[in-house]
Amino acid sequence: EVQLVESGGGLVQPGGSLRLSCAASGFTFSSYEMNWVRQAPGKGLEWVSYINTFGNTIHYADSVKGRFTISRDNAKKSLYLQMNSLRAEDTAVYYCARDHSGWLEDWFDPWGQGTLVTVSS
Amino acid sequence: ETVMTQSPATLSVSPGERATLSCRASQSVSSNLAWYQQIPGQAPRLLIYGASTRATGIPARFSGSGSGTEFTLTISSLQSEDFAVYYCHQYHNWPPHTFGQGTKLEIK
Repeated sequence: EVQLVESGGGLVQPGGSLRLSCAASGFTFSSYEMNWVRQAPGKGLEWVSYINTFGNTIHYADSVKGRFTISRDNAKKSLYLQMNSLRAEDTAVYYCARDHSGWLEDWFDPWGQGTLVTVSS
Repeated sequence: ETVMTQSPATLSVSPGERATLSCRASQSVSSNLAWYQQIPGQAPRLLIYGASTRATGIPARFSGSGSGTEFTLTISSLQSEDFAVYYCHQYHNWPPHTFGQGTKLEIK
C-alpha cells in the first residue's frame, strides 16, 4: 500500500523553528517528485514547496520563501520541511503529497494524513 | 499566478440528486486540472485528473469536464459519503501550484 506519514508538528513560539518529516512506503520514493501543501484551520489548500527526485530542483511559495527549506533523503525514503522564523500565519495542517511526476502530469496522489503546526506564544 | 475560482462556495443538494460544481481559471490551464475531495478531519483524496479522467477506485458517478478556463465536476445521484469539500487544482502554470477555495457540498 502506498503510504505517506508526516510527523514533527507541534506548538512553537513565533520566530521559532520546526522540522517536519514525511516517511514514504509502498512505492519507489526516489522515482517521484514531492510536495508540501498546507491548510490553515477552516481554510483551503495552499501549496508550499516542491522538490524533484534528485533534490536539485526546488520551488517555494512566496509566502515561505527564505524561511522554509525542503529536502529529501532517498535512502531513507523521507521528505523534510525545515521551517524557520515561524509566524502565526504559518499555523496549519501540513500535508506531504506525492507528485504524479510526469510532464504536465503533476497532480497530487496520495496525500499523507497531515501534521498540525501551531505558532503561538 | 493562475487564480482558481470555485462556485458556489456552498451547494445544498438532496441525496440521490445531481450536483454540479464549477471551477474557473484566470488563464488557460489546458486540461491540466485535478479535483480532490476532502472529508472533514481527513486528507484530500484525488478524484479526477486531466480534467476528466477518474483516479483509481473512484466511482463512475463522479465525472469531470472542461478545458482552458472553465471546468465542471458532476456527481450524479449523490450518496451520503459524497458530502464533503471539493477543491480544484491547476498544474499547468506552476510554480506556484494553485487551488480553488473549495466548494462545500452539504445535505439539503
